[in-house]
Amino acid sequence: GAGVSQSPRYKVTKRGQDVALRCDPISGHVSLYWYRQALGQGPEFLTYFNYEAQQDKSGLPNDRFSAERPEGSISTLTIQRTEQRDSAMYRCASSPRETLQETQYFGPGTRLLVL
Amino acid sequence: AQSVTQLGSHVSVSEGALVLLRCNYSSSVPPYLFWYVQYPNQGLQLLLKYTSAATLVKGINGFEAEFKKSETSFHLTKPSAHMSDAAEYFCAVSNPNFGNEKLTFGTGTRLTIIP
Repeated sequence: GAGVSQSPRYKVTKRGQDVALRCDPISGHVSLYWYRQALGQGPEFLTYFNYEAQQDKSGLPNDRFSAERPEGSISTLTIQRTEQRDSAMYRCASSPRETLQETQYFGPGTRLLVL
Repeated sequence: AQSVTQLGSHVSVSEGALVLLRCNYSSSVPPYLFWYVQYPNQGLQLLLKYTSAATLVKGINGFEAEFKKSETSFHLTKPSAHMSDAAEYFCAVSNPNFGNEKLTFGTGTRLTIIP
């Protein structure tokens, strides 16, 4: 079956512009997670949802970052007024149920470059 | 707070030799532990996970890891390296007792296989 998909795969933007990154989870998966991975580092948690409810947004670095999942399926991570330090790989993952024993399945990521 | 330390950002082994990738964790409660692999231009793929059942966990592609509470370790091993094992490997920890779904990753170990 289809895995987690993310779009766009690559995004180049100018400093100060807003960007929206999309994640389409595996069909039927309840939980959806966003991570950010800087070059040479492991992924860092940003936020996650169960269904449409945002359960934890403690990893969002500041108020320029927001995420939504209005219908409990597709999610959008929005970065307003982008800065060069926002450049990274943004990864989305989904899992079938609400317990952490379920595996998180990762998408290919969106590489964001802010000039 | 939970954390993971991966010793050795780069490991090189000869084809056919033992693979040993080290991971030590810090957690105030019994954790769940994971190993993920990342091939170039692909998403993270789960190799194996420990969720408080058997301490020796077998995963895909011949990998296994042993949870050692006394050493706070979860090292990844494979008896005989293949060229296809060349990739970046991430150890991750989660703390289910607080209802915390997020994964905390280490900084990764890049494995190179020498022909």
